[in-house]
Amino acid sequence: QKEVEQNSGPLSVPEGAIASLNCTYSDRGSQSFFWYRQYSGKSPELIMSIYSNGDKEDGRFTAQLNKASQYVSLLIRDSQPSDSATYLCAVIGAAGNKLTFGGGTRVLVKP
Amino acid sequence: DAMVIQNPRYQVTQFGKPVTLSCSQTLNHNVMYWYQQKSSQAPKLLFHYYDKDFNNEADTPDNFQSRRPNTSFCFLDIRSPGLGDAAMYLCATSRDVAGWSTDTQYFGPGTRLTVL
Repeated sequence: QKEVEQNSGPLSVPEGAIASLNCTYSDRGSQSFFWYRQYSGKSPELIMSIYSNGDKEDGRFTAQLNKASQYVSLLIRDSQPSDSATYLCAVIGAAGNKLTFGGGTRVLVKP
Repeated sequence: DAMVIQNPRYQVTQFGKPVTLSCSQTLNHNVMYWYQQKSSQAPKLLFHYYDKDFNNEADTPDNFQSRRPNTSFCFLDIRSPGLGDAAMYLCATSRDVAGWSTDTQYFGPGTRLTVL
């Protein structure tokens, strides 16, 4: 079992719709959770960080964390073609000494 | 603007010819990381420096070495590049004031390495 799992996609959404991305992790003691956006050929760019159960909103992005279910998600509201990218979920585990990435979900927003 | 800078952005080397990639940061962060990312894969941590302390991942090949001469700079040396080492190499930094467990990592633009 991979430590951090994501559906590779592509997740195809029409412009203006909500894109919903999911991530599960295996280390129950994980403490910190991050979503990065990566355009093709570019480096990861931090979108959101979340540390506590519940929702965290930043503009069109909402991160949701459920530690009991070992699940973190990202919602992108009013999706735009410029949101087309790979979204990487990353987790710092209980040992607190390493950031582990999921394989990424490719999102395609169609005009 | 404070940032993480990587040079060169694109590097072409020959099989077996040593190559050095450079990373610098103006964030004054304590921790610097090197990741390898191959096409359609997640970034893979090679090693990191906590200040001057070097920490190698167990599965990082001996072919990869790193130097951090001061807070601002960190280098990745690939002693004998093979075709399988062609990848994007990402440098990242984190502040690590509160402790590793909550620290956000900020990435540089990456260096795309091609091995001929």
